[in-house]
Amino acid sequence: DTAVSQTPKYLVTQMGNDKSIKCEQNLGHDTMYWYKQDSKKFLKIMFSYNNKELIINETVPNRFSPKSPDKAHLNLHINSLELGDSAVYFCASSQAGGGSTQYFGPGTRLTVL
Amino acid sequence: SQQGEEDPQALSIQEGENATMNCSYKTSINNLQWYRQNSGRGLVHLILIRSNEREKHSGRLRVTLDTSKKSSSLLITASRAADTASYFCATVPTSGGYQKVTFGTGTKLQVIP
Repeated sequence: DTAVSQTPKYLVTQMGNDKSIKCEQNLGHDTMYWYKQDSKKFLKIMFSYNNKELIINETVPNRFSPKSPDKAHLNLHINSLELGDSAVYFCASSQAGGGSTQYFGPGTRLTVL
Repeated sequence: SQQGEEDPQALSIQEGENATMNCSYKTSINNLQWYRQNSGRGLVHLILIRSNEREKHSGRLRVTLDTSKKSSSLLITASRAADTASYFCATVPTSGGYQKVTFGTGTKLQVIP
């Protein structure tokens, strides 16, 4: 009964490819997020959706496109992958806005070769 | 720029000892949260302290907040090997149309059995 789940857990791909990461939460939360954690463990927010509406869109290359088909899902599609995209990507959700407790998924480790 | 900076970056203690981690931030906050991240896992929320609170307890955790110094500390008492993890503070600013959580740089705690 995982609260926030992500697939896949590991993703190894070649430069230039397009890939997607899926996220689902069964907590009934209104807000979902994507974070990127680099090799130094620095966690940076990328996007946030509230009730399927984009709320936060940080300075992220437009190769990254989030999609929220419904309140429980927030997927991340990445075009033309680059070496610098290698990182761990975390999905999270919260009941209300960013000020409330966030529940994180297990992460997707993306390695671009 | 990062909102929260944790100190120390790494901490190694013996089981049974107390561990103290500090977080400094730059702007006015609505609340401050502490999260734990075990190796290879997502972040887990530990405690939230609001700007009008000075101290909060949860089990072996004690969090203090000094808004005049823009700092917070997390104390783990009677540490256990299972407390080995990275600990992050996260701040929610008072300004801005949407409350965006910004994570600190993290403290890596090792508890030696």
